[in-house]
Amino acid sequence: KQEVTQIPAALSVPEGENLVLNCSFTDSAIYNLQWFRQDPGKGLTSLLLIQSSQREQTSGRLNASLDKSSGRSTLYIAASQPGDSATYLCAVFSGGYQKVTFGIGTKLQVIP
Amino acid sequence: GAVVSQHPSWVICKSGTSVKIECRSLDFQATTMFWYRQFPKQSLMLMATSNEGSKATYEQGVEKDKFLINHASLTLSTLTVTSAHPEDSSFYICSARDLRSLYNEQFFGPGTRLTVL
Repeated sequence: KQEVTQIPAALSVPEGENLVLNCSFTDSAIYNLQWFRQDPGKGLTSLLLIQSSQREQTSGRLNASLDKSSGRSTLYIAASQPGDSATYLCAVFSGGYQKVTFGIGTKLQVIP
Repeated sequence: GAVVSQHPSWVICKSGTSVKIECRSLDFQATTMFWYRQFPKQSLMLMATSNEGSKATYEQGVEKDKFLINHASLTLSTLTVTSAHPEDSSFYICSARDLRSLYNEQFFGPGTRLTVL
């Protein structure tokens, strides 16, 4: 059974700081890994999707890496802004891409 | 493209009543949709996989007679919570798989907040 852990559970940083969010998973036989953002009481906004054959993906100030062998992914946020404050979820897709396991998320607060 | 909507965005109902939540893919056809539930401070949990024209597949521990899923068209899946109880209060999110996506990506709806009194 796939298990996804996200560390830290919460993070508070001053504006402008670079930060790293961590995601680990127990079964390396994955199809995709995806990072989402969730604002309070809202749905999910997809940030980056990494295929199992890829090592990293970049979008603007965001960079996500994937190390399947060690069961880890990181989401790097450069020059953080108050608008980045949200909960960041890591989702691992396996079992023929339809089986998804979410982490509990990292709640990020960027202080102006 | 690849927009998924949910209706209603929030609903309050009395214990014992039934509530229907709709999930629509607005600009693509989705043969497969998924329903998730998220309790406060917990991760999203997959409840069931909804396949157009066939019965839904439920995850272990999810009562199929309580959470009725209908996927009657390629753009609409509905989740009906029957005889709702306060413990069913949760945030329900659907997703739809876009076959046009190279990675079989799922696109998520905005969620429905259900409160059962």
